[in-house]
Amino acid sequence: DTGVSQDPRHKITKRGQNVTFRCDPISEHNRLYWYRQTLGQGPEFLTYFQNEAQLEKSRLLSDRFSAERPKGSFSTLEIQRTEQGDSAMYLCASSSLAGVPPEQYFGPGTRLTVT
Amino acid sequence: GENVEQHPSTLSVQEGDSAVIKCTYSDSASNYFPWYKQELGKGPQLIIDIRSNVGEKKDQRIAVTLNKTAKHFSLHITETQPEDSAVYFCAPLRTGTASKLTFGTGTRLQVTL
Repeated sequence: DTGVSQDPRHKITKRGQNVTFRCDPISEHNRLYWYRQTLGQGPEFLTYFQNEAQLEKSRLLSDRFSAERPKGSFSTLEIQRTEQGDSAMYLCASSSLAGVPPEQYFGPGTRLTVT
Repeated sequence: GENVEQHPSTLSVQEGDSAVIKCTYSDSASNYFPWYKQELGKGPQLIIDIRSNVGEKKDQRIAVTLNKTAKHFSLHITETQPEDSAVYFCAPLRTGTASKLTFGTGTRLQVTL
């Protein structure tokens, strides 16, 4: 399968714990996006990378959130000191630079539950 | 930022009937108008899009129409089938803004037999 993959698919954690999610984009896609989707809502933009550079962060991305894409390939999203309000689906998408705009391909998401 | 609303929030139709979902947006500079389908346990998938210089686009059973003056665009699905059951999102965009999508509130479509 050459689509966007995310790991893990589900994560249950206790409040206050740190969690890390991984996203593997489609090979050779320059851009990588993170979105958060709460139940019954549309995805909300969190941040995006072009190659290894993080070019934009949403106000939704508090200081407890950090994202990296160290070699311009896979990306990680870490949440420190999780809170119950962090419970959501975290979606990753990738795109090439071709097209106006480039089409974003989404992964299946990581569902986080904070108890 | 862009304010995006969809109506209705839920829609139930019988197999074979048509379904129409409307998306209203606030940013008059938006010039790209996609619709995404999200099935259970999956991420959104682009199903059709339209640009501001075109009023209508059709792809087999799905079509999108655009009214830039009124700032709304609609998804039309004809001859609905059970596999059309999903949540549909619009995400109007001003190209050149790094393509960060602002999704609508979503419409859950249920196609019954």
